[in-house]
Amino acid sequence: SQQGEEDPQALSIQEGENATMNCSYKTSINNLQWYRQNSGRGLVHLILIRSNEREKHSGRLRVTLDTSKKSSSLLITASRAADTASYFCATFLNQAGTALIFGKGTTLSVSS
Amino acid sequence: KAGVTQTPRYLIKTRGQQVTLSCSPISGHRSVSWYQQTPGQGLQFLFEYFSETQRNKGNFPGRFSGRQFSNSRSEMNVSTLELGDSALYLCASSGGSSHEQFFGPGTRLTVL
Repeated sequence: SQQGEEDPQALSIQEGENATMNCSYKTSINNLQWYRQNSGRGLVHLILIRSNEREKHSGRLRVTLDTSKKSSSLLITASRAADTASYFCATFLNQAGTALIFGKGTTLSVSS
Repeated sequence: KAGVTQTPRYLIKTRGQQVTLSCSPISGHRSVSWYQQTPGQGLQFLFEYFSETQRNKGNFPGRFSGRQFSNSRSEMNVSTLELGDSALYLCASSGGSSHEQFFGPGTRLTVL
């Protein structure tokens, strides 16, 4: 079962525009992570935000976390064609390991 | 460091056969997790191994099994293949205190 649900499922924008993806999750978390996947390949870790953080930045990425609403958002500023990929939020299955539960993902298409 | 490697990259099997997939984690990483990715179900957690012990298990039938060796390399086996087992199988490793998981490129399994 999915822990997170991303919204929207698909997003198409022009280069230079900002892209915002949202994620909702079901259970209490210690942290939430975002991953990117290019065209059916392996996933790449983008950023982790802890439950006691409200916002975190990494380059052109900005992640927010609202634990009261059990939601997170990923903002990519000044999008580039190379940002075209699927983006997933993920939380740990439990505290006993590093197994991840992923949302269904948002497919972002950035056209030049 | 070399990344996570998975072999084989592509595999075609017929229903009823069995298959073994291999994953070599990043050197020094002791945790290996496996995921199944399909268009319909998305990314689903299969199992996680740490120091040769299964630490977590997802909600998959007993036809799916795995193991981890003393060098942290891991294998997963699927017996009595079904058409629905066609998927991209991803493995990921993590180590130390980092929560980040490093993914391999995946094995694309097609069951005919």
